[in-house]
Amino acid sequence: NAGVTQTPKFRILKIGQSMTLQCTQDMNHNYMYWYRQDPGMGLKLIYYSVGAGITDKGEVPNGYNVSRSTTEDFPLRLELAAPSQTSVYFCASSYGPSVETQYFGPGTRLLVL
Amino acid sequence: KQEVTQIPAALSVPEGENLVLNCSFTDSAIYNLQWFRQDPGKGLTSLLLIQSSQREQTSGRLNASLDKSSGRSTLYIAASQPGDSATYLCAVITGYSTLTFGKGTMLLVSP
Repeated sequence: NAGVTQTPKFRILKIGQSMTLQCTQDMNHNYMYWYRQDPGMGLKLIYYSVGAGITDKGEVPNGYNVSRSTTEDFPLRLELAAPSQTSVYFCASSYGPSVETQYFGPGTRLLVL
Repeated sequence: KQEVTQIPAALSVPEGENLVLNCSFTDSAIYNLQWFRQDPGKGLTSLLLIQSSQREQTSGRLNASLDKSSGRSTLYIAASQPGDSATYLCAVITGYSTLTFGKGTMLLVSP
């Protein structure tokens, strides 16, 4: 059971480039989330999804886009990368809302230069 | 807006000590509170989840308490070991299934 997987593990982008961070879960979870973690800080929610075809903004959505065409996959798209998007990105999933534990992937470290 | 604060930011103890990590939150209307462990360069591992109706949860040497009315939670680690060295994050759910995190407490347990 792989749980939540993320690719790539590390990426360097130039300012203005675009990329997609991939996230896949094999636990048949309905809920999926994207967080970012800056050095010395807690995680902040970027976007989340409560099921295929349904997404909503979190606390820090600017500069990002998401889609959820299947239960398993929840990619995060960065358009026009900026140095402020240098961070570690974590994808998570849970079976249901509120009372369920969220399971986290290993993270993608992104550096924008 | 919910804010979560963790004290201390860092803690260094010798092996075998019992220790307490603190977490406070500003909005008491939470669904649950979770404690996570994060090892350097790794993702988060859920340690304990306390529902809003519960007062505490225990798992092995870990015990987490919740006082929702005062906006406080503590994570108690008994007989600490070097393998406990990690960053411990507290998070609450107030909105629709979304977690608000504290900045974490970095714990170092020396042999």
